[in-house]
Amino acid sequence: DQQVKQNSPSLSVQEGRISILNCDYTNSMFDYFLWYKKYPAEGPTFLISISSIKDKNEDGRFTVFLNKSAKHLSLHIVPSQPGDSAVYFCAASDQGNDMRFGAGTRLTVKP
Amino acid sequence: DVKVTQSSRYLVKRTGEKVFLECVQDMDHENMFWYRQDPGLGLRLIYFSYDVKMKEKGDIPEGYSVSREKKERFSLILESASTNQTSMYLCASQAPNQPQHFGDGTRLSIL
Repeated sequence: DQQVKQNSPSLSVQEGRISILNCDYTNSMFDYFLWYKKYPAEGPTFLISISSIKDKNEDGRFTVFLNKSAKHLSLHIVPSQPGDSAVYFCAASDQGNDMRFGAGTRLTVKP
Repeated sequence: DVKVTQSSRYLVKRTGEKVFLECVQDMDHENMFWYRQDPGLGLRLIYFSYDVKMKEKGDIPEGYSVSREKKERFSLILESASTNQTSMYLCASQAPNQPQHFGDGTRLSIL
């Protein structure tokens, strides 16, 4: 029973355009949400997070949006760069401790 | 900077062997986790620990056990390895209510 779902296994965008990665969750107790980025042969690295008291968090080219009523979050990358090509995992937790991860979305940014 | 070190990047074992995967973190984090990553399934939580000598089952603990004798070290044990345990194994550590930090993973093949 996957509590965190990323329904798009892959996404391809042109360099300079916006990348939008989506994530849905089912557990209404989740109150802390994160995005991780993973390159091949490396572990996931933390990218950006948002708590349930906010609906938006921005860090440079990366913005995460949270829609609690829809149990949906998204990661926007703008402008996208070839170095952003990686697998992106959405994660959610209840009170910040053990997390549940989505299946990941492979982003390819074409030059 | 947090460093999470997994003892092996690649490991090949035979069916029925007892397998030990070691993980060490250098940030005095209370929380440590073991995940496996499989295509289309994302990261699934096997076991976690919030303190020395403490362990909790995650979503898929069957066929695994763990040991946490010291705060910095969290070991995953496959009691009798089977081919369906061929996977990428990821260890993470975490300060409470902070993002998890991951090691680079161990790609384990069971023949």
